[in-house]
Amino acid sequence: DGGITQSPKYLFRKEGQNVTLSCEQNLNHDAMYWYRQDPGQGLRLIYYSQIVNDFQKGDIAEGYSVSREKKESFPLTVTSAQKNPTAFYLCASSVTSIGEQFFGPGTRLTVL
Amino acid sequence: AQSVAQPEDQVNVAEGNPLTVKCTYSVSGNPYLFWYVQYPNRGLQFLLKYITGDNLVKGSYGFEAEFNKSQTSFHLKKPSALVSDSALYFCAVLRDSGYALNFGKGTSLLVTP
Repeated sequence: DGGITQSPKYLFRKEGQNVTLSCEQNLNHDAMYWYRQDPGQGLRLIYYSQIVNDFQKGDIAEGYSVSREKKESFPLTVTSAQKNPTAFYLCASSVTSIGEQFFGPGTRLTVL
Repeated sequence: AQSVAQPEDQVNVAEGNPLTVKCTYSVSGNPYLFWYVQYPNRGLQFLLKYITGDNLVKGSYGFEAEFNKSQTSFHLKKPSALVSDSALYFCAVLRDSGYALNFGKGTSLLVTP
């Protein structure tokens, strides 16, 4: 089956730890995205990548980092610099920037 | 900057009745508009999009949306609601840069039997 997978589904982090969220797609899409979802705030863009080895900051990139070494993979690292990381994180991909985005099932990160 | 607004946090409708979830947009130039649905603790699912052409766009699961340029609206509609339509609905617009989307805050739809 084609689609986007995210792992883990639930993730717990202690204060001061870095954690990495995985996002993999087998749709052969060029563009990939990371969003953060908080209750009542909709989705906010963290980073996006239009092509391998290239990515741009979104609206709330501080405290996050990404890499795009392979077309199918776009991992997100939540660093200790992110002061309020507890949220639901969604990864998405699209064929082109104006095409519809396909979303993964999400990772819920909780800071203990 | 391109933006969308969803004026209703929640919409309640009885099963079998028509439903409307509202979205208004603010853009410079021609808007590229999208609707997505999210079920609890899941990712978003694409419903439909407006790029150009007919003002009435048909999408998945019997949903449709009407693009109205004079009212800068893109309301989501369905003639007969199902209990299973209960979910969170997001309107989105393509950014000025042509990359990534700006999402509304979402509207929770509750369909009661």
